[in-house]
Amino acid sequence: DQQVKQNSPSLSVQEGRISILNCDYTNSMFDYFLWYKKYPAEGPTFLISISSIKDKNEDGRFTVFLNKSAKHLSLHIVPSQPGDSAVYFCAASGTDKLIFGTGTRLQVFP
Amino acid sequence: DSGVTQTPKHLITATGQRVTLRCSPRSGDLSVYWYQQSLDQGLQFLIQYYNGEERAKGNILERFSAQQFPDLHSELNLSSLELGDSALYFCASSVEVEGSEAFFGQGTRLTVV
Repeated sequence: DQQVKQNSPSLSVQEGRISILNCDYTNSMFDYFLWYKKYPAEGPTFLISISSIKDKNEDGRFTVFLNKSAKHLSLHIVPSQPGDSAVYFCAASGTDKLIFGTGTRLQVFP
Repeated sequence: DSGVTQTPKHLITATGQRVTLRCSPRSGDLSVYWYQQSLDQGLQFLIQYYNGEERAKGNILERFSAQQFPDLHSELNLSSLELGDSALYFCASSVEVEGSEAFFGQGTRLTVV
């Protein structure tokens, strides 16, 4: 049972444009959501998070939106840069677990 | 550098063998998570420890076990290894049980031949 889903395995965006990565979850008990970025041969690195009591959190070029009624969150990257090319994982925290989605590979091209 | 150290970085072993993966969490972090990432797969949660006690279990096989020691380092033991166990194994640590970001190590790449 995949409690956290990233339905788009890959996304290709032109440099300077907006990248939107999506994530859906099924467990309404999750109370904290996170996004991680992963480069090849490295461990995932924390990017941004949002508490379930908020609907938006912004950090520089990165903004995470949470829609609790739809059990959906998204990560917006504006403007996208070639260095953003990586695999992005969303994760949900609750009941002592940190559950990850399957990841979306973002490629930002010039 | 995340502050989480995993050893070894690479491990090649034969089917049926047993291996131990080691994780040293960030200084001050009490919570340790183990994840498995197979080829083209997401991060599969295996198990979590908090201050020496098991807190949550995910899709961890019975052939696998883990523990967290008093100095907070953790070990993941994989036994009766099968070819399908070949994967990247990540350890992560965080300050709290939940609600805080976890920091990942570089992972151990296990190859079973």
